[in-house]
Amino acid sequence: ETGVTQSPTHLIKTRGQQVTLRCSSQSGHNTVSWYQQALGQGPQFIFQYYREEENGRGNFPPRFSGLQFPNYSSELNVNALELDDSALYLCASRTGGKDTDTQYFGPGTRLTVL
Amino acid sequence: KNEVEQSPQNLTAQEGEFITINCSYSVGISALHWLQQHPGGGIVSLFMLSSGKKKHGRLIATINIQEKHSSLHITASHPRDSAVYICAVRSAGGTSYGKLTFGQGTILTVHP
Repeated sequence: ETGVTQSPTHLIKTRGQQVTLRCSSQSGHNTVSWYQQALGQGPQFIFQYYREEENGRGNFPPRFSGLQFPNYSSELNVNALELDDSALYLCASRTGGKDTDTQYFGPGTRLTVL
Repeated sequence: KNEVEQSPQNLTAQEGEFITINCSYSVGISALHWLQQHPGGGIVSLFMLSSGKKKHGRLIATINIQEKHSSLHITASHPRDSAVYICAVRSAGGTSYGKLTFGQGTILTVHP
């Protein structure tokens, strides 16, 4: 049990729709990162938020956006869904900005785009 | 070539065997993580290393910063160790601050 939860666990959408995925971190975890994991692949970094500001981003288009809230919850929003967006979406949180802080992962949301 | 390479990709062992999974990386890092992922997706952090060696129960992780290489060892393997083991590195600075770059994972199956 990592103390990080995600909702929903599974989601089916159609191409062109928009989706919001949610993550709830442990109290005191100021840094949250989101990752996309396609089937059979390792996770890919989408972006990171620290104290409600995005402070790092991977190679994902602007239709992937996020929010972090003061209550240690966060959202990943994806607009104009494409078939290739089908994947497991993971959030991970840690206490601060130090590189040596332990990362705690949520169980993931499996998104299927038809 | 990926920034993080793991070997082997698949590993099958008999219960009780000593197991080694290797990870090589090509970028400057501030920390390296070994993670375990079970079917269904949940990822658990096993170790975070920036130097030397760490041990937790039957698991041992080592890192050689100069050679950009890390190993995860499992002693006296057990069927419950069957999972995907993933190496991930945290980049040292740059524009993708905080980014973890993952290896492709090693699928470990331990038979009774």
